[in-house]
Amino acid sequence: KAGVTQTPRYLIKTRGQQVTLSCSPISGHRSVSWYQQTPGQGLQFLFEYFSETQRNKGNFPGRFSGRQFSNSRSEMNVSTLELGDSALYLCASSSASGLAGADTQYFGPGTRLTVL
Amino acid sequence: DAKTTQPPSMDCAEGRAANLPCNHSTISGNEYVYWYRQIHSQGPQYIIHGLKNNETNEMASLIITEDRKSSTLILPHATLRDTAVYYCIVRVEPESPNQAGTALIFGKGTTLSVSS
Repeated sequence: KAGVTQTPRYLIKTRGQQVTLSCSPISGHRSVSWYQQTPGQGLQFLFEYFSETQRNKGNFPGRFSGRQFSNSRSEMNVSTLELGDSALYLCASSSASGLAGADTQYFGPGTRLTVL
Repeated sequence: DAKTTQPPSMDCAEGRAANLPCNHSTISGNEYVYWYRQIHSQGPQYIIHGLKNNETNEMASLIITEDRKSSTLILPHATLRDTAVYYCIVRVEPESPNQAGTALIFGKGTTLSVSS
């Protein structure tokens, strides 16, 4: 099976702009989670989508949003970019089968966002 | 905050076993222990997980103490490519397809350096 894919791999934006990142989960996986990784804060959970609905959310401002499509692909959007949004954005997918011990999250390679 | 405690760094000689400890003294009965690793600037890679019993796969072994308050990840024959940051995470898994599990909460992990 192909792994989780994320596009683009690298992005450079300027303050005030907005950005959209894309994630394609492993085939058959229905849950997609997003994480932000910065040197200062480490890896932090943003939100999770399942069946096109956000069902779990981390402690991030409303400038961070996402959505999931019927084919389980997901996008996240960051509006009004700030310098502190420079980070590696990671997407992870899981089967969400409900079977105990079978909900492992598998990560993509990430999108490196630089805000100038 | 992460519910696990790991040493910040460890060294291992190539070809020897690497034993990475993790304390999770407040773990709940329904929380699984997960291990991931991250090689510089790549997405975290799933290694192994378990609930109560010891687990082994092609990558590693996971030893969980009987009281479940600590665990050890064992890489039986470490290679230079095993140099990475290793994260130990406890997580509640969903018990039905429509239930959300808890997000992965990453701490600072253990930086394992394997040298020849």
